[in-house]
Amino acid sequence: NAGVTQTPKFQVLKTGQSMTLQCAQDMNHNSMYWYRQDPGMGLRLIYYSASEGTTDKGEVPNGYNVSRLNKREFSLRLESAAPSQTSVYFCASSEWDRGTTYEQYFGPGTRLTVT
Amino acid sequence: LAKTTQPISMDSYEGQEVNITCSHNNIATNDYITWYQQFPSQGPRFIIQGYKTKVTNEVASLFIPADRKSSTLSLPRVSLSDTAVYYCLVGSSYAGNNRKLIWGLGTSLAVNP
Repeated sequence: NAGVTQTPKFQVLKTGQSMTLQCAQDMNHNSMYWYRQDPGMGLRLIYYSASEGTTDKGEVPNGYNVSRLNKREFSLRLESAAPSQTSVYFCASSEWDRGTTYEQYFGPGTRLTVT
Repeated sequence: LAKTTQPISMDSYEGQEVNITCSHNNIATNDYITWYQQFPSQGPRFIIQGYKTKVTNEVASLFIPADRKSSTLSLPRVSLSDTAVYYCLVGSSYAGNNRKLIWGLGTSLAVNP
């Protein structure tokens, strides 16, 4: 199993450009998440999808959109990139409330720089 | 909304026990406490999770007092490979559309020889 995969690993954008970050998981998990991680800020939830067909805003959704394409794939789109969106983006997946299990499996991250 | 507070950094030596405490005064009834480990240039990795009292697995123990306003991650006999950032996460396991996941800012643990 590959677990959670993310593409691309690195990306440089100019202000105003758009791009989509891709995420896929092969663990048959219902829930998927997008986080951003900035120095000194820890992880902040951007959007999550509790199950296929549903998406909800997290703590910092402004400037982002998401699509839960199917059970495996959850993409994050920046319509008009801004320097404030320079960050490391992590995708994660988990079972959905199976007993007390709440373990999230993370991808390797995408390092995005907006100039 | 539960806010979590944890020490920014800690130092230890190989073979010692390390205890990292996370404060979460506004924890909700449905919230669980989860700890993750993160190495540079990698995503976080699950260590342990609990709701109350004590939980132990093969790598760590988690102590949660009765009021649940704090929790302590205990790493027995640390080695150099335990040098990492440790995050406390408070979140609800309640299946709903308003799930909240509040991560601490992380504790950078340095294990010295």
